[in-house]
Amino acid sequence: EAGVTQFPSHSVIEKGQTVTLRCDPISGHDNLYWYRRVMGKEIKFLLHFVKESKQDESGMPNNRFLAERTGGTYSTLKVQPAELEDSGVYFCASSQRQGATGELFFGEGSRLTVL
Amino acid sequence: AQSVTQLDSHVSVSEGTPVLLRCNYSSSYSPSLFWYVQHPNKGLQLLLKYTSAATLVKGINGFEAEFKKSETSFHLTKPSAHMSDAAEYFCVVRPPYSGAGSYQLTFGKGTKLSVIP
Repeated sequence: EAGVTQFPSHSVIEKGQTVTLRCDPISGHDNLYWYRRVMGKEIKFLLHFVKESKQDESGMPNNRFLAERTGGTYSTLKVQPAELEDSGVYFCASSQRQGATGELFFGEGSRLTVL
Repeated sequence: AQSVTQLDSHVSVSEGTPVLLRCNYSSSYSPSLFWYVQHPNKGLQLLLKYTSAATLVKGINGFEAEFKKSETSFHLTKPSAHMSDAAEYFCVVRPPYSGAGSYQLTFGKGTKLSVIP
């Protein structure tokens, strides 16, 4: 069974440009999450989808970030316009079960470098 | 509110010797606790989890962790390190309840484990 896949693995853009990251969760997983690790800091929660609905987007840093999950399958995270402080690794995860015991399966991450 | 402190940013051990990665947490309730591992160029993989059952939790690849409420600790151990254990390890806390905010994992800063041959 395929795991969580993320594209691209690495993106280098200039400040002010737009980048779109994609996440394909494990088939059948209704829950999809985005996390981010900025250089030298902890991995932090960005948002959570249940199917196509945003369950919790309290971790989104500002309105330059837009996440979508049309049709409840794959998700995209767009950064527009990108700033230097957006550089980091963006992780996507998915889970099948709800509640504290539902294991999250993570992708390999998309590394974003903003110059 | 909850937080996680991983006491060492980098640990180096010789192959065949014990591994100890330290984690302390702060929480206003009894949380669920996890250890995740990230090998180079790989995703985060769940090693083990504590969810209010047995306080000594066994995970994959010979790792185990003990939940000590009195010390608010959840240290990760392994009796004998293997070269393949070299990776970054994350201690993670999650609220025990369902509902709003329950999916927000709180990560420690990570501990990089080096294994010397």
